[in-house]
Amino acid sequence: SQKIEQNSEALNIQEGKTATLTCNYTNYSPAYLQWYRQDPGRGPVFLLLIRENEKEKRKERLKVTFDTTLKQSLFHITASQPADSATYLCAPNRGANNLFFGTGTRLTVIP
Amino acid sequence: EAGVAQSPRYKIIEKRQSVAFWCNPISGHATLYWYQQILGQGPKLLIQFQNNGVVDDSQLPKDRFSAERLKGVDSTLKIQPAKLEDSAVYLCASSSKGTGLQAFFGQGTRLTVV
Repeated sequence: SQKIEQNSEALNIQEGKTATLTCNYTNYSPAYLQWYRQDPGRGPVFLLLIRENEKEKRKERLKVTFDTTLKQSLFHITASQPADSATYLCAPNRGANNLFFGTGTRLTVIP
Repeated sequence: EAGVAQSPRYKIIEKRQSVAFWCNPISGHATLYWYQQILGQGPKLLIQFQNNGVVDDSQLPKDRFSAERLKGVDSTLKIQPAKLEDSAVYLCASSSKGTGLQAFFGQGTRLTVV
């Protein structure tokens, strides 16, 4: 069965540094991959989507890469701020159906 | 644009009791998802509807959980009877072809089974 793993449950970094979060998947080939942010007590909020034929996508301070050979996506937040502290979820998916999520990584940006 | 509405926000019940959650998706969204999120874990997909039809319910514990989406709009998720391990946040999300593949989530219902 398909498996989605995100690196370390928690990641602490210093303000101003670049945070890098990893999403690995096995046993299937997603056509696209989404990243969401979730704050405590709230539902996830969509951030970025990258398709299998795209190597990299950027949005403001966010950058996502998608390596279908390694079956991995990297999510980068540059010039991190305390307001970026949240749990980040990846969702590699085959199509419009079955939106499955990874385990999540809790990011804390230390002032 | 109104977001995904869920109620109640919190619910505490005793084990073996029944409980129901309600979700009203964003107007016009054909796809509706229910997720279970246990503390410290990612959301687990329970069931997905396309209009009023079920697309996937492979991870729904059908001996105790049921869900319906009459008329292809709002939806209810029921647990009967509840177990201690059902304590979690139940999230509803919706999407449409017009939003691409992006899903919009409600705030969730936090269920505590004691």
